[in-house]
Amino acid sequence: GQNIDQPTEMTATEGAIVQINCTYQTSGFNGLFWYQQHAGEAPTFLSYNVLDGLEEKGRFSSFLSRSKGYSYLLLKELQMKDSASYLCAVPRQEAGNNRKLIWGLGTSLAVNP
Amino acid sequence: KAGVTQTPRYLIKTRGQQVTLSCSPISGHRSVSWYQQTPGQGLQFLFEYFSETQRNKGNFPGRFSGRQFSNSRSEMNVSTLELGDSALYLCASSLRGGTNNEQFFGPGTRLTVL
Repeated sequence: GQNIDQPTEMTATEGAIVQINCTYQTSGFNGLFWYQQHAGEAPTFLSYNVLDGLEEKGRFSSFLSRSKGYSYLLLKELQMKDSASYLCAVPRQEAGNNRKLIWGLGTSLAVNP
Repeated sequence: KAGVTQTPRYLIKTRGQQVTLSCSPISGHRSVSWYQQTPGQGLQFLFEYFSETQRNKGNFPGRFSGRQFSNSRSEMNVSTLELGDSALYLCASSLRGGTNNEQFFGPGTRLTVL
């Protein structure tokens, strides 16, 4: 099977650093995605990790440990506009070569002044 | 480059009716995926179309169907609507599709079934 777990809600202060965790169980692995979704808007792509380690992209970084089934999204120098839901997703391959993305329920981040 | 567009943005239907939602992908993108998003279940994959063929499928009943046209525009149809079908339906386009490429989401269609 394939399950994805993320904290439901997190709160942080403007200017601070926050780490959003995602754990997954999968019988096969082919990368992990992070998307950001502001309330009432469409999800937008943040990162895609295939190999272990940290990938940095401006204020956002994403880490992956395949052996531990664990990823985190690190947001630095938080801004009010970072208040959003953060979704992690993992590909799953089924019988007959059917493939789909399995999504976590998302972590709702509130950034306070 | 124009983004992914979806029509209509909002829809209210009653149980038993059917509905058709439309999605126009980013120009040049051949893959369109459809998702259902609800607070309790999150994002759930419905199906993916690539070059007019259904390439991947989620675990939804046969009431949910789709198609893709030669210009890559896609439609999703839900027949015999149930209250539980109330959700935000998102489509996403991708250059190559599959599960290891970035997807670009449209704004969604908010469906309410009464």
